[in-house]
Amino acid sequence: NAGVTQTPKFQVLKTGQSMTLQCAQDMNHEYMSWYRQDPGMGLRLIHYSVGAGITDQGEVPNGYNVSRSTTEDFPLRLLSAAPSQTSVYFCASSYFADQPQNFGDGNRLSIL
Amino acid sequence: KNQVEQSPQSLIILEGKNCTLQCNYTVSPFSNLRWYKQDTGRGPVSLTIMTFSENTKSNGRYTATLDADTKQSSLHITASQLSDSASYICVVSDSGGGADGLTFGKGTHLIIQP
Repeated sequence: NAGVTQTPKFQVLKTGQSMTLQCAQDMNHEYMSWYRQDPGMGLRLIHYSVGAGITDQGEVPNGYNVSRSTTEDFPLRLLSAAPSQTSVYFCASSYFADQPQNFGDGNRLSIL
Repeated sequence: KNQVEQSPQSLIILEGKNCTLQCNYTVSPFSNLRWYKQDTGRGPVSLTIMTFSENTKSNGRYTATLDADTKQSSLHITASQLSDSASYICVVSDSGGGADGLTFGKGTHLIIQP
């Protein structure tokens, strides 16, 4: 099992550009989430999904879109990148709702 | 508002020594408490998960304790190794229902010196 795979690992964008961060898991997990991690702050939930075709907003959803067309994939889209979106983004998954999550190794995004 | 406070923010100890990290929470209702280890440049990895009825849980040299009455947890690391250098994150689940019920602490950054 590869676990949770995130691509690309690093990306630099210009303000206003759009971008899709990819997340894939091969563990047949129903629950998937996107977080951002900023210095001095805990992980903050952006969007999450409880199964294919179902998504919901987390704590900081503005400026981001998600879709869940398959169980395996949960891409995160930045619609019009802003410097405030410079962060490290983590995707996580779990089989049951209240089970420790498996995290990917992150996407490091810089917006200039 | 649910909160998770971790202390200390950072800690430096010598290899071979023991250390204890603290986590205080104000999360209600309580479902479970988790400790994660996050190596630099990597995603968090689960160490333990404890429910209301569990006081202690071990994972190798890591031992977590939970006092649900005082809403405190600790993570004790025994005979530290260089590979223990990482951030340790405390996470509390309030609903048992998923990601939107999780509250993350800011983490304790642990450095093990040879």
